[in-house]
Amino acid sequence: AQKVTQAQTEISVVEKEDVTLDCVYETRDTTYYLFWYKQPPSGELVFLIRRNSFDEQNEISGRYSWNFQKSTSSFNFTITASQVVDSAVYFCALSYPSGGYQKVTFGIGTKLQVIP
Amino acid sequence: DTGVSQDPRHKITKRGQNVTFRCDPISEHNRLYWYRQTLGQGPEFLTYFQNEAQLEKSRLLSDRFSAERPKGSFSTLEIQRTEQGDSAMYLCASSYGAHVIGELFFGEGSRLTVL
Repeated sequence: AQKVTQAQTEISVVEKEDVTLDCVYETRDTTYYLFWYKQPPSGELVFLIRRNSFDEQNEISGRYSWNFQKSTSSFNFTITASQVVDSAVYFCALSYPSGGYQKVTFGIGTKLQVIP
Repeated sequence: DTGVSQDPRHKITKRGQNVTFRCDPISEHNRLYWYRQTLGQGPEFLTYFQNEAQLEKSRLLSDRFSAERPKGSFSTLEIQRTEQGDSAMYLCASSYGAHVIGELFFGEGSRLTVL
């Protein structure tokens, strides 16, 4: 079954602390994509990153970094020096082929609260 | 604004009434998705259009739900005889591509409250 598990439902950190959001996925497919989305209080889902299953290179974008490890089926997201604006719900998602198109399954999300 | 737009943003209705949501995708996007998000959960897939063809429907989409995408442009999602369990955020997303999924662009959602 295609599944995404975000074991941390809520995390609180003090501003400027680093925080890592965990994501573990399950899939039978060898070709798949992994995503992270941010959902601020306004409700819109904002795309952060996409990774394909053949690219295990870690990625850094400003204060954000992602660690993709196929051996442990994990795609973790780290925010360095967190800021209040980072407060949001973060979703990890898995995309896999289904019926001729790519289907996306989301985790339940991790609510991050950054306290000033 | 060239993003995905959804209307209305909020809808409060009484049980048993019909409601309709509209989604305007990014103009060049051929793929359109509807998702439902309940409190404390991630978005769940409802249905998918490629151009005007509805290619897949989730089992979540009961016969009270109907979605259309005439002419492959905007899409509507209608819920008939609403029930309290239909209360959720309904999200529309669009993307462009044939085989490789690109970035899914989401709208801000339409929040439905059924009293």
